[in-house]
Amino acid sequence: GNSVTQMEGPVTLSEEAFLTINCTYTATGYPSLFWYVQYPGEGLQLLLKATKADDKGSNKGFEATYRKETTSFHLEKGSVQVSDSAVYFCALSGGTNAGKSTFGDGTTLTVKP
Amino acid sequence: GAVVSQHPSRVICKSGTSVKIECRSLDFQATTMFWYRQFPKKSLMLMATSNEGSKATYEQGVEKDKFLINHASLTLSTLTVTSAHPEDSSFYICSARVPGGSYYNEQFFGPGTRLTVL
Repeated sequence: GNSVTQMEGPVTLSEEAFLTINCTYTATGYPSLFWYVQYPGEGLQLLLKATKADDKGSNKGFEATYRKETTSFHLEKGSVQVSDSAVYFCALSGGTNAGKSTFGDGTTLTVKP
Repeated sequence: GAVVSQHPSRVICKSGTSVKIECRSLDFQATTMFWYRQFPKKSLMLMATSNEGSKATYEQGVEKDKFLINHASLTLSTLTVTSAHPEDSSFYICSARVPGGSYYNEQFFGPGTRLTVL
């Protein structure tokens, strides 16, 4: 079945540091890949997505590229802010498990001023 | 983008009572909705897939008589936690799929419902 493995946290960075959160996946077919962000006490918000190989999703300074050859979708940001502190989830949807989403365990990011 | 709402956002109830949580798609019709449960500092656990006009499909280990799901219309799915106990306390999140188009494979999430059973 489908699975998503993402970098264990927590991750603590200073403001303006570079961020990478690794995400790899296992899936058959051609899934779409997503990064979601969850702020304390809230639901999930879509951060970015990519629907096919070599697509790059980007939003609010975050980027991730769908790499089929390495089955990866790593999240990056060049300069983090305190307001980026949240839990980040990598997820996939589709492929042969059409309709359902599979989530990674989440990575907690704390950015200190 | 598509908007999904949940009501209530927070509920506290006594052990043994039933609690109903609503999930609504506000600006689109959702033939499929999903219910998740999230434990503190944990990822989302899919509980069931709710299809409009048919019975929900439950994931392995989820008690269908405990967590009743009704998807009576294209914009509303409900989750009823029957005879709730403290171990049912959790954050419940619904999501909905937008059929086809540019949102293919994407789910839109509600803001979640925090259930506390005393």
